Amino acid sequence: EVQLVESGGGLVQPGGSLRLSCAASGFTFSSSWMNWVRQAPGKGLEWVAQIKQDGSELHYVDSLRGRFTISRDNAKNSLYLQMNSLRAEDTAVYYCARGINKSFDIWGQGTMVTIFS
Amino acid sequence: EIVLTQSPGTLSLSPGERATLSCRASQSVSSRYLAWYQQKPGQAPRLLIYGASSRATGIPDRFSGSGSGTDFTLTISRLEPEDFAVYYCQLYGSSPLFTFGPGTKVDIK
Repeated sequence: EVQLVESGGGLVQPGGSLRLSCAASGFTFSSSWMNWVRQAPGKGLEWVAQIKQDGSELHYVDSLRGRFTISRDNAKNSLYLQMNSLRAEDTAVYYCARGINKSFDIWGQGTMVTIFS
Repeated sequence: EIVLTQSPGTLSLSPGERATLSCRASQSVSSRYLAWYQQKPGQAPRLLIYGASSRATGIPDRFSGSGSGTDFTLTISRLEPEDFAVYYCQLYGSSPLFTFGPGTKVDIK
């Protein structure tokens, strides 16, 4: 079964850090562009970051560059998002998604990140 | 930065009716880079259409996409009960690399 499963979300205070993980199965992870997309409560979708198959290209939404880092481990079929200096506005469900044809065809169920003071 | 606008914000229709959703870009874009998603409450988005008009795997043929330049349309030919959801268009571009529209909610009249 083709699947993406996120983990690592939770409650964190402003200024804190969190590392999200996404475990892939059922497809060739090492051949796939991978992405993080987030959705604040009751809001729309926002693309966060993308990583090339071999990790040689990284792309970020400008507003998050410098605070968030996307990475991957193809040996473990896993995608990561390191989030630092977290702010209230980073509160959202974070989805990992496979990129193909300039779109996202496989999505995880999401992991909730809540920044609270 | 290219901005996507979706209209209407909410579309109230009955099962069996035709739904026409609009996505407009602030400047001309390649139709190869326009996609549509469906999202139901508490669920992840699902890819419906990529390249403006190509249906994703497993998507019923009542869903169709069209358009070019700045104006794109998602059409649901006959609404089924499971089609009531929020629909987003998405563009691949330069900065940011991917942009989503604000969404259109299709609800039951």
